[in-house]
Formats: sequence, structure tokens, C-alpha cells
Amino acid sequence: DAGVTQSPTHLIKTRGQQVTLRCSPKSGHDTVSWYQQALGQGPQFIFQYYEEEERQRGNFPDRFSGHQFPNYSSELNVNALLLGDSALYLCASSSTGVFTGELFFGEGSRLTVL
Amino acid sequence: AQSVTQPDIHITVSEGASLELRCNYSYGATPYLFWYVQSPGQGLQLLLKYFSGDTLVQGIKGFEAEFKRSQSSFNLRKPSVHWSDAAEYFCAVVPWSSNTGKLIFGQGTTLQVKP
Repeated sequence: DAGVTQSPTHLIKTRGQQVTLRCSPKSGHDTVSWYQQALGQGPQFIFQYYEEEERQRGNFPDRFSGHQFPNYSSELNVNALLLGDSALYLCASSSTGVFTGELFFGEGSRLTVL
Repeated sequence: AQSVTQPDIHITVSEGASLELRCNYSYGATPYLFWYVQSPGQGLQLLLKYFSGDTLVQGIKGFEAEFKRSQSSFNLRKPSVHWSDAAEYFCAVVPWSSNTGKLIFGQGTTLQVKP
């Protein structure tokens, strides 16, 4: 049973560019959340997708956008990259319904902005 | 605002020694509480969680945590640490009224284990 998979694992961009990160949730999960983890910090919630809609959003600018596809996979897009966007981006999946609180995380995509 | 504080940025213990990692939360009502572990090159893994009931919860890998309402704390413990426990540990909360799974994480505690 495959867990949460993310791609790419590492990437380097320059300021002003745009980036797309991808996530496939764990089998049977229908909800995808994205987190940003800066070096030495805990993950910060970006947003969550369910039924192809953004259900909840954290305190991130509109440069951060996402999408969920009918197969529940998801993309995170960041436009006009800033140096401060350098971080590990984590995808987490869960199943809607009775809330168990457990999120299953991927290994992350490490973005470096030069 | 809801927040989670992990007072210890870095802790070093000897293998076989006991461990306690501290976590304090700031929230009006009792939230759902979690401990996650992050090993190098791996995603976050849930160690244990508290929703209600018995305030001492058992988790995987021999970890346990105790919820103390009066202290707004949820400290993680392990009686005897193994070298493989070296990792980053995160305490997290979800407001009890939320069913969307938005976790609020502390900044983490790095555990180093001496042989």
C-alpha cells in the first residue's frame, strides 16, 4: 500500500519564477493538506483540499494556490517566488468522515530559491 | 490565538536514559493533541494522540504522553531511549471544534542520543 508520494524531491528556482509541486495521497484518502516547513521551524498549514475545493486556508498570500484532481491527487503552485519561500513543502493526506486526527505525510519537496 | 510551545530546541540524552519532551499549548478549550516524529529524509509520523478520556496515552515505539489540563501541557516521555530515537519531535494541536485536520505545530525539539 503506497503512502503519500510527493514530487519532485528537490528543486532549485530563482526569484520571480513559478513552481508546481505534486502530491498523491495515501490509498483510500480523499483530503490533501499542504504545509510549509522552513529550516528549524515546525510545519505551517498552507491550505487543505477536499472534493476538488479549497476547504481551509492558512495565513499565506495568494501567490500560493492549489488544485485537487478527481483522483484526489493535488498540486501546490507558488508564483513570483521569493527567497523566503525556500522551505520543505509537505503534503499530508487524510480521510474525511469521523475525524481521527491522524495525517499521513509525504517526505516532502525541498525548494531552494536563489 | 492558538499556539504551541516546545521550550527545548535541542535535547541530548544518553542511550538507555529516560526522556521527557515538553509541550505547552495556548487555547481556550482542550484541543486535540498530537506528537509527531520526523526522522532525516522521512515524513512526519504520528507517535500518539489525545482526544479525551484517560490523560495518559500510549503510542508507538514505547512513547507515552500525559495531558495535564491545569498546566496546559502534553509532555512526551520514554523510559529508555534508543539510538534510533534521534530525530525531530513536534507537538501539535487541532482545536476540538475543527474537523478539518488543520494542525498547529510547535517549532520542534531535536533529540540527540549519545552512545
